[in-house]
Amino acid sequence: EVQLVESGGGLVQPGGSLRLSCVASGFTFSSYWMSWVRQAPGKGLEWVANIKHDESEKYYVDSVKGRFTIFRDNARDSLFLQMHSLGAEDTAVYYCARAPATYGASSEPYVHFDYWGQGTLVTVSS
Amino acid sequence: SYELTQPPSVSVSPGQTARITCSGDALPKKYAYWYQKKSGQAPVLVIYEDSKRPSGIPERFSGSSSGTMATLTISGAQVDDEGDYYCYSTDGVFGGGTKVTVL
Repeated sequence: EVQLVESGGGLVQPGGSLRLSCVASGFTFSSYWMSWVRQAPGKGLEWVANIKHDESEKYYVDSVKGRFTIFRDNARDSLFLQMHSLGAEDTAVYYCARAPATYGASSEPYVHFDYWGQGTLVTVSS
Repeated sequence: SYELTQPPSVSVSPGQTARITCSGDALPKKYAYWYQKKSGQAPVLVIYEDSKRPSGIPERFSGSSSGTMATLTISGAQVDDEGDYYCYSTDGVFGGGTKVTVL
């Protein structure tokens, strides 16, 4: 059974940093792209970042570029999201998701999400 | 980038058919995916690649796509199907979500 368990959320002051973790089990973690997706209170789902199985490709939504870093440790079946310069707009539940990928004609990755964790809440407030 | 547009809400009686649309200029070239999101729970993939149903998803869920519009259909909707439904395409773009009420 595929399981994804996030941790690391909490209350952080504006401008602060936080690192989220996601431990995977039930599948060969090192063979899959992985992603972070968030949902702000009362809002819809928003894709945040993708990472290829070997870390050779990483993609971010424009609003987090330069502030967030996605990385992984395949030896520990773990995915991470390092977040800096946090603002109120980053308050959300952050979900880790397994992200099967194919490639388009122009070699761009086509990623979707087939399994999700339960999420971890990040609150940015003073 | 582009947008995916969904109606904010759909309401049906139990046993009726609910149809949720998702429109976007990229859909003729990209697959649509559909996620069910209930409050306090993780999203669940209910349709992938326009019309395929993952194992464990009831047969009453079906998907289709034509031109710039994808459609999720819940045939014989049940109270347990209430929640928010999001379409998604593979460029990291989610629709705004549709709240489905079954009553």
